[in-house]
Amino acid sequence: QSALTQPASVSGSPGQSITISCTGTSSDIGGYNYVSWYQQYPGKAPKLMIYEVSNRPLEVSNRFSGSKSGNTASLSISGLQAEDEADYYCSSYTSTTTVVFGGGTRLTVV
Amino acid sequence: QITLKESGPTLVKPTQTLTLTCTFSGFSLTTSGMGVGWVRQPPGQALEWLALIYWNDVEYYNPSLKTRLTITKDTSKNQVVLTMTNMDPVDTATYYCAHRLSVAATFDFWGQGTLIFVSS
Repeated sequence: QSALTQPASVSGSPGQSITISCTGTSSDIGGYNYVSWYQQYPGKAPKLMIYEVSNRPLEVSNRFSGSKSGNTASLSISGLQAEDEADYYCSSYTSTTTVVFGGGTRLTVV
Repeated sequence: QITLKESGPTLVKPTQTLTLTCTFSGFSLTTSGMGVGWVRQPPGQALEWLALIYWNDVEYYNPSLKTRLTITKDTSKNQVVLTMTNMDPVDTATYYCAHRLSVAATFDFWGQGTLIFVSS
């Protein structure tokens, strides 16, 4: 089972926008609209930020948005804030193993 | 409100079997579409999905760990149990249980996690 591919790190300044990519295959991201994104602070449990590619749970800020093109999904964060500094993981349903996670991306707000 | 909490030993010895219990509230595993999964995270590393069980008793396992894992549910106690055999120091990690919505194929609520050390 191969993990989805994410950049190890991204950074941005307060107020800016950033995008985190997540690349899979036609057996996962490309084949289904079941991509989720999770935010994780050090020592804390992951928190669901986006599900079904672009849906936001009610309590998640509308500064967070998700999209997909082919085998690559993306998480965008606008109006970066210091509190957005965290690790972000993508996940997808997969026809082969049901669940697969990405390797994670460390977002630094500089 | 959905909550989940993991419980189990803090320390296990190599070759032993780990048994983890996830006790949850706010939903029932007899309700269509409900599921509970286990995810682990070694220190400083990424999330790794382990296993998943649904209301209809269907189970799914990470193929790389399938021979070592068993997931079961006790609907009367609102608990899901994960056993992992032949533990090794590389299995040292924080183990999370999470609520799974089959219709959205997502983990929408997570437990706080429990850190398991494997050492002699």
